[in-house]
Amino acid sequence: AQTVTQSQPEMSVQEAETVTLSCTYDTSESDYYLFWYKQPPSRQMILVIRQEAYKQQNATENRFSVNFQKAAKSFSLKISDSQLGDAAMYFCAYIGGGGSQGNLIFGKGTKLSVKP
Amino acid sequence: GAVVSQHPSWVICKSGTSVKIECRSLDFQATTMFWYRQFPKQSLMLMATSNEGSKATYEQGVEKDKFLINHASLTLSTLTVTSAHPEDSSFYICSAPGRLAYGYTFGSGTRLTVV
Repeated sequence: AQTVTQSQPEMSVQEAETVTLSCTYDTSESDYYLFWYKQPPSRQMILVIRQEAYKQQNATENRFSVNFQKAAKSFSLKISDSQLGDAAMYFCAYIGGGGSQGNLIFGKGTKLSVKP
Repeated sequence: GAVVSQHPSWVICKSGTSVKIECRSLDFQATTMFWYRQFPKQSLMLMATSNEGSKATYEQGVEKDKFLINHASLTLSTLTVTSAHPEDSSFYICSAPGRLAYGYTFGSGTRLTVV
């Protein structure tokens, strides 16, 4: 069975600085998708960034970028120029079967605090 | 993009009563809806998967008779918590697969408090 592990329960970053959130996963599949979701205090799940496993190029969305290491099964999220609004829970998620198989598998989450 | 509307946002009910939570896909057809439960400071735990026109699939340990799921149409899935007890108090979120370019679409969640 596939698993997603986030080893950092909490992280803290100074405003305008850069922070990296870690995520590792375990799968025997070769075709899958990985996501980072943000859950602010409102608890609405917001997609931050996605990565297709077949793509070697790391995904980037404005201040958010990932370091996708397929062989190492690692999928870290880098937040540059951190802002107060980035404070939230961040969940790493996996879906296999080329994206066609069932539900997202979530990690336990990392709570990010941003200090002014 | 795809939108899932979830209602109510919060509800307080008395022990022994039932509560219905609705999730509607507003601009797309959701043949599948995932229902999650989230305890404070924890991750999302999949409870069940509903499919339009068929019985829901429940995860191990989830009581089918307590958490009734109905997927009446391609745009509506409901979760009914029957004979609610204080331990059912939690945050419930629905999610529907959309275009993978946008990831899965989540409802805004329902905070249930049973008193």
